[in-house]
Amino acid sequence: AQSVTQLGSHVSVSEGALVLLRCNYSSSVPPYLFWYVQYPNQGLQLLLKYTSAATLVKGINGFEAEFKKSETSFHLTKPSAHMSDAAEYFCAVSDRNAGGTSYGKLTFGQGTILTVHP
Amino acid sequence: EAQVTQNPRYLITVTGKKLTVTCSQNMNHEYMSWYRQDPGLGLRQIYYSMNVEVTDKGDVPEGYKVSRKEKRNFPLILESPSPNQTSLYFCASSPWTSGYTDTQYFGPGTRLTVL
Repeated sequence: AQSVTQLGSHVSVSEGALVLLRCNYSSSVPPYLFWYVQYPNQGLQLLLKYTSAATLVKGINGFEAEFKKSETSFHLTKPSAHMSDAAEYFCAVSDRNAGGTSYGKLTFGQGTILTVHP
Repeated sequence: EAQVTQNPRYLITVTGKKLTVTCSQNMNHEYMSWYRQDPGLGLRQIYYSMNVEVTDKGDVPEGYKVSRKEKRNFPLILESPSPNQTSLYFCASSPWTSGYTDTQYFGPGTRLTVL
């Protein structure tokens, strides 16, 4: 079974500072990995995804993530935080196990709430 | 505008009173799914559907039913709601053209409270 662990349920940064949100995965097969963002009172929106092409993936709003197989990590970064980045961020892995398990299921981490201070 | 809609957005009900949360997408997507979101647990899949009349259980299906009679709609039914079903519910859809790498598009969520 696949799993995702997000280190740190809350991360606080100052405006203009580096944003680093950590995600580690466990998977028996090469994973497909996603980062979603949830703004207050809204649904989830895709930031970026890794689908086994380039290991450095660029997403929307200046975010990027690097797939590191040796570290089983897919950390999300942004060089300079903006107040509008305050939200909850979810890392997810797509379930590729066949044999009767849930097709298309995304297994999510616990989420990380990002706070940006002026 | 391409979107997934859910209704109602907020619902307070009492134990045992049957309810339905509707989900509709206008993107002609094959795949639809329901998740529940609970603090500290992320999102967990309840049910999913690969196509009309094809549904299957996710990780936490107990106490829920779904149906897929039309491609665009995927209602979530709670026959006898209980307080442990108090949660934030999301419907999602994807085209399933690339399978597991497809982006899933999420609705705005339904906040359900069962007293």
